[in-house]
Amino acid sequence: AQSVTQLGSHVSVSEGALVLLRCNYSSSVPPYLFWYVQYPNQGLQLLLKYTSAATLVKGINGFEAEFKKSETSFHLTKPSAHMSDAAEYFCAVSGGGADGLTFGKGTHLIIQP
Amino acid sequence: GAVVSQHPSWVICKSGTSVKIECRSLDFQATTMFWYRQFPKQSLMLMATSNEGSKATYEQGVEKDKFLINHASLTLSTLTVTSAHPEDSSFYICSASRSGKTYEQYFGPGTRLTVT
Repeated sequence: AQSVTQLGSHVSVSEGALVLLRCNYSSSVPPYLFWYVQYPNQGLQLLLKYTSAATLVKGINGFEAEFKKSETSFHLTKPSAHMSDAAEYFCAVSGGGADGLTFGKGTHLIIQP
Repeated sequence: GAVVSQHPSWVICKSGTSVKIECRSLDFQATTMFWYRQFPKQSLMLMATSNEGSKATYEQGVEKDKFLINHASLTLSTLTVTSAHPEDSSFYICSASRSGKTYEQYFGPGTRLTVT
């Protein structure tokens, strides 16, 4: 069984500042981890994924995440926030096989001008 | 590549009627498709997993007789909400994965269902 905890339902940063969205996971098997972004009334767009290769994963739009097994974390970062980054972000975990994804509750990212 | 479409993008139906939502993988064969439900300002909850040609596997608490899933081909899965009620109003999102990479899912744009 897997679970995901996203700390902070809302995160507010100034434009140009560092973005840090936190995700901790629990998994009984080596996990596959994902970050998705969702804009209002739209589906999910994959930002990046960890699939047991490099622990530092680079994604689209300047985002990256680091898998830390000892901390069971997969935090999402971006060095400099842009107004277009304002959206809902979901961390998700899969145990592989034919499992569906287990999502965290999401973090709403607010960018202040 | 790996594009998933859903139709319709939004639908309004009256209480007691049934509505069908289609999920298609446009440029790949999807051996497994997943259906999720998302309530306003909440996360996605997995409803069921379907493999082409076999019966869907439903998550605990999801009524299989109410949410009928058919995965008739490698590019099409349908979700039928039968005898819809206002509490079924939600955002339904499907995803699809290829053979051998079921952990990597490609999501459709979602279908907004409103039951009046």
